Amino acid sequence: GESVGLHLPTLSVQEGDNSIINCAYSNSASDYFIWYKQESGKGPQFIIDIRSNMDKRQGQRVTVLLNKTVKHLSLQIAATQPGDSAVYFCAENVMDNYGQNFVFGPGTRLSVLP
Amino acid sequence: KAGVTQTPRYLIKTRGQQVTLSCSPISGHRSVSWYQQTPGQGLQFLFEYFSETQRNKGNFPGRFSGRQFSNSRSEMNVSTLELGDSALYLCASSFSVQYEQYFGPGTRLTVT
Repeated sequence: GESVGLHLPTLSVQEGDNSIINCAYSNSASDYFIWYKQESGKGPQFIIDIRSNMDKRQGQRVTVLLNKTVKHLSLQIAATQPGDSAVYFCAENVMDNYGQNFVFGPGTRLSVLP
Repeated sequence: KAGVTQTPRYLIKTRGQQVTLSCSPISGHRSVSWYQQTPGQGLQFLFEYFSETQRNKGNFPGRFSGRQFSNSRSEMNVSTLELGDSALYLCASSFSVQYEQYFGPGTRLTVT
C-alpha cells in the first residue's frame, strides 16, 4: 500500500509555562508505559514510566497521568525550558502472538518559544 | 554506568548488499530490542532478544534477522538491501521486557 508520512502534531509553549503532551494507547490490556524524549540526531531518552496499578507518577519536573478508562496517557512538564524542545513519544507494553514488546505512538513535537 | 552503544553510527550501502549492525547493552541488561525508525512509519519494533533467545519479533520480512551473544551484545543483519530499508536503526536494552528500556544513539543506514 501507499506509505503516508507521519505528520507530527506540534505543541508550542512559552518558556516557563507548563506543557501537557497527550497520548492515546490502543490496548486495554497494556500494563506498562514509558515516555521518551528524542532530540534531533539522537536516540530516544527515557523520561518516566508508569504501571497500570498507578494513576499518577512524578519525576523531576515531569508528571505522567494514566487514565485507563479512556486509554489515555499524558506527560506534564513543569516550567518548560528551551532544552525541553524535542519529539516526545509514549510507548505501551503490549502482548501479541509472539510475546511482549513496546508499541510507540507517532510522537509530538514540543517547541519552546523564548 | 555506560549507556547503550551502537556501531557503526552511519552506514551507506547499495541495493542488494547486506549489512550487520552491532549493539552493546548496558551492563547487567539481558534484554535487547531492535527498532526501525523512519519519517513515514515512525518507530517500529523489529525483534527482542533475551539470554541469546529471540523472544518476540515484529512484522518485518525474513531479510531482517538478529542474534544475541552470551555477553548480551546483539547484532542485527539485513540482507538484500532495498531502498526502503534506509532508516535509523535503534537498539534498546533493559533488565527485562517490562522494565525501563534505554536506547542507544542509533545507526543511520542509507541505501542507494
